[in-house]
Amino acid sequence: DADVTQTPRNRITKTGKRIMLECSQTKGHDRMYWYRQDPGLGLRLIYYSFDVKDINKGEISDGYSVSRQAQAKFSLSLESAIPNQTALYFCATSSADEQFFGPGTRLTVL
Amino acid sequence: KNEVEQSPQNLTAQEGEFITINCSYSVGISALHWLQQHPGGGIVSLFMLSSGKKKHGRLIATINIQEKHSSLHITASHPRDSAVYICAAFSGYGGSQGNLIFGKGTKLSVKP
Repeated sequence: DADVTQTPRNRITKTGKRIMLECSQTKGHDRMYWYRQDPGLGLRLIYYSFDVKDINKGEISDGYSVSRQAQAKFSLSLESAIPNQTALYFCATSSADEQFFGPGTRLTVL
Repeated sequence: KNEVEQSPQNLTAQEGEFITINCSYSVGISALHWLQQHPGGGIVSLFMLSSGKKKHGRLIATINIQEKHSSLHITASHPRDSAVYICAAFSGYGGSQGNLIFGKGTKLSVKP
């Protein structure tokens, strides 16, 4: 089984809809992250969490919210999706030495 | 100016060639990561290094802390090495730190 899983893997939604992306990890890591990737811009940090009670905004948190339901689960919500949130979204966890990425969620907002 | 710059942006090589991808950073770091993103989108961590050199199979990563520069080398390149290689600087944990700053990636294509 994969160390970091994301659901859904692909999603098409309409402007104004609420959508949640879910992430689970089996690594036992405290640190979890949500990134988005856009062509030509690289990976950018949306939110990160260093433990269940710790949530921090990243570089581009506007329009997003997160919930850390348990050490293993970190979900990302778009309260009212807009077309410029169309991107590839990655969840990740980290140890002291390595980052582990989920397979990505391709989100399209029409 | 980006805090992490990679060069080249795109690289095409013939199978068997020696490949070098460069990464320069302007922030203080405690470690630097090299990641590989496959054409299907998945991202794999290749190396984390804070000094010197690391080797794994045909991949070698080096870092010069004084010059704020790291290189990723691929020896005897193969078409399966075709991917986007991403360099990411890590500033260390504590306070609001503890996050990676990513370069934009180098797209490598190795032709048979």
